[in-house]
Amino acid sequence: DAGVIQSPRHEVTEMGQEVTLRCKPISGHDYLFWYRQTMMRGLELLIYFNNNVPIDDSGMPEDRFSAKMPNASFSTLKIQPSEPRDSAVYFCASSLERRGGQDTGELFFGEGSRLTVL
Amino acid sequence: GESVGLHLPTLSVQEGDNSIINCAYSNSASDYFIWYKQESGKGPQFIIDIRSNMDKRQGQRVTVLLNKTVKHLSLQIAATQPGDSAVYFCAENISASGGSYIPTFGRGTSLIVHP
Repeated sequence: DAGVIQSPRHEVTEMGQEVTLRCKPISGHDYLFWYRQTMMRGLELLIYFNNNVPIDDSGMPEDRFSAKMPNASFSTLKIQPSEPRDSAVYFCASSLERRGGQDTGELFFGEGSRLTVL
Repeated sequence: GESVGLHLPTLSVQEGDNSIINCAYSNSASDYFIWYKQESGKGPQFIIDIRSNMDKRQGQRVTVLLNKTVKHLSLQIAATQPGDSAVYFCAENISASGGSYIPTFGRGTSLIVHP
């Protein structure tokens, strides 16, 4: 398996522009997570989906952020309009639903999308 | 509020030494913990996990210790190698309804291994 695939790896944009980050989770995984990583705040959970349904979006900073998962193999995180304080590395991760006591809670992360908003 | 935190932001060691990275947690209801390693330019990767019914678990060159009395977790790396240089996170896991765990990550500790 290729693992979690994110695109773009790097994005530089100007304040006010729309940014769309994309994620392809590992095939068969039931959960998908979006995290944001900054030096100041570390890894913050933004939103997660279970079977394509958003479960908890309480970590989404504000209405400028939105996430969708139209099918089991694709998710997007959109920022509109973007601001300099949105500059960060955005990670997508996926995991399997626990089935019995033997499963781990391991998250499989993509390599991240580094966003710079000027 | 409840949180997961790390005692040391940076740990420098010599190659071959043993490394110990510490983590404190405050949610007594947490029953599952994972250590992740993040190399530069990459996403975090699973190293080892431990459930609250255990106090020690060993992997290849790594050992995780859990002290529920003082809510403390540690990751021990034996014979540290330059390739171990990375940021290490402990993640406190909360069971989500319907399955899976939802981790909350600590701030991370940067491990620097000098040859």
